[in-house]
Amino acid sequence: EAQVTQNPRYLITVTGKKLTVTCSQNMNHEYMSWYRQDPGLGLRQIYYSMNVEVTDKGDVPEGYKVSRKEKRNFPLILESPSPNQTSLYFCANGTGRQEKLFFGSGTQLSVL
Amino acid sequence: AQTVTQSQPEMSVQEAETVTLSCTYDTSESNYYLFWYKQPPSRQMILVIRQEAYKQQNATENRFSVNFQKAAKSFSLKISDSQLGDTAMYFCAFMTYTNAGKSTFGDGTTLTVKP
Repeated sequence: EAQVTQNPRYLITVTGKKLTVTCSQNMNHEYMSWYRQDPGLGLRQIYYSMNVEVTDKGDVPEGYKVSRKEKRNFPLILESPSPNQTSLYFCANGTGRQEKLFFGSGTQLSVL
Repeated sequence: AQTVTQSQPEMSVQEAETVTLSCTYDTSESNYYLFWYKQPPSRQMILVIRQEAYKQQNATENRFSVNFQKAAKSFSLKISDSQLGDTAMYFCAFMTYTNAGKSTFGDGTTLTVKP
């Protein structure tokens, strides 16, 4: 089954403790992206990657890092999480030709 | 920079009736793509419909159709014969042709279908 897999689904952490949210795909798609969803603010793009070793900033990249060492994985790294990064995070992939996006199931992150 | 505005935070409709969700956007690009995504309580994001800006014909997918007005930069979603399973948050989204990786979403409209 074609899917985008995010882990973990829920995460509670404390301020300043580095964390990584993983995202992997089995669809061989070149394009991957990270979003955060906050009430009343919709989805905002954090980073995206058009291909391996190619990443670009979205609208809200501050406080986040990503890497794309291989096509199937696109982890989101929070080096020093802060409470304002408490949010629902989504990973998505696509063909890169403005066709549909395929979303993971989301990661609910709480930073205390 | 592109912006997407959904002016209706919440809407409700009776089962079997028709409802229209509004979306306006701002861009200086002439070629772009517009989408409606649905997010039910399960929080899974599901594509409802996609429109290419260079196509004048409005996209349709079964009970879902759009009214795309390029000059007015408007992209509304019409849901006919509403069903209880249509209860969800709906997001309007925009992707450009020139910068294929960037995407902009609206704030969402929560739709409740009442029995």
